[in-house]
Amino acid sequence: SQELEQSPQSLIVQEGKNLTINCTSSKTLYGLYWYKQKYGEGLIFLMMLQKGGEEKSHEKITAKLDEKKQQSSLHITASQPSHAGIYLCGADISNDYKLSFGAGTTVTVRA
Amino acid sequence: EPEVTQTPSHQVTQMGQEVILRCVPISNHLYFYWYRQILGQKVEFLVSFYNNEISEKSEIFDDQFSVERPDGSNFTLKIRSTKLEDSAMYFCASTGSYNEQFFGPGTRLTVL
Repeated sequence: SQELEQSPQSLIVQEGKNLTINCTSSKTLYGLYWYKQKYGEGLIFLMMLQKGGEEKSHEKITAKLDEKKQQSSLHITASQPSHAGIYLCGADISNDYKLSFGAGTTVTVRA
Repeated sequence: EPEVTQTPSHQVTQMGQEVILRCVPISNHLYFYWYRQILGQKVEFLVSFYNNEISEKSEIFDDQFSVERPDGSNFTLKIRSTKLEDSAMYFCASTGSYNEQFFGPGTRLTVL
C-alpha cells in the first residue's frame, strides 16, 4: 500500500475560486513539506509543517497538519493563473529529513 | 535569496558512460540530498549526506552511484556506467537549521 496518498490527482478551478489538496500518510509524520513544480522543472518550497495542529499561511496559500500528524491539506484562496502547476507533498516519516513524495496534484486555473 | 544550483541543466550521454552531476547547496546548510524523478513518476529519494559521509541511501543507490563533497561548496553525484533506466531528472536538495528542505532546478539526464 502507498505510504503517502495525495488527492485529487488533478483539478480544474475557475479563477477566483478556492481549492484544497489533501495528503494522507499511513505513518506518523515528523515533517510534511509542500512544493510546487512546473512540468519538467524544479520543486519550489512552499511550506513545512512539523507540529500537530500546525497551520501556516503565505499570501493566499494555507497549509495545515492535523493533530494526529497523519494528514495535511493545502488550501488556495481566490486562485489565480499563477497558482497553476503541480503540487507535491513530501513526508518525513522516519525523522531523518529523507522525504517520500506523493504523486502530485495538477492544478489548472481557468480564466 | 540563497538557492540551490545545479549543473548542467541537461546532460546527454551514451549507455555505459560515466556522468557527474554537480550541485552547490545553500551555503550554511549541513544536510544534502539527491533525488530523482523519472518522467511521469514520483520524486524518489536516492541518498542523504551529512558531515562528509552518507547518512542513508535507498535501494536505487547501488554501487554504480557515488556522492562526494570535494570542497566546501560543491556536492556531486556520479553514475559510473549509465543505463537507459537512469534517464531521469536528478534533483539536489539541502536542509538547514530550520529543517526546511530546498531543491535545485534539476539536471535532466538522458541516456541513449
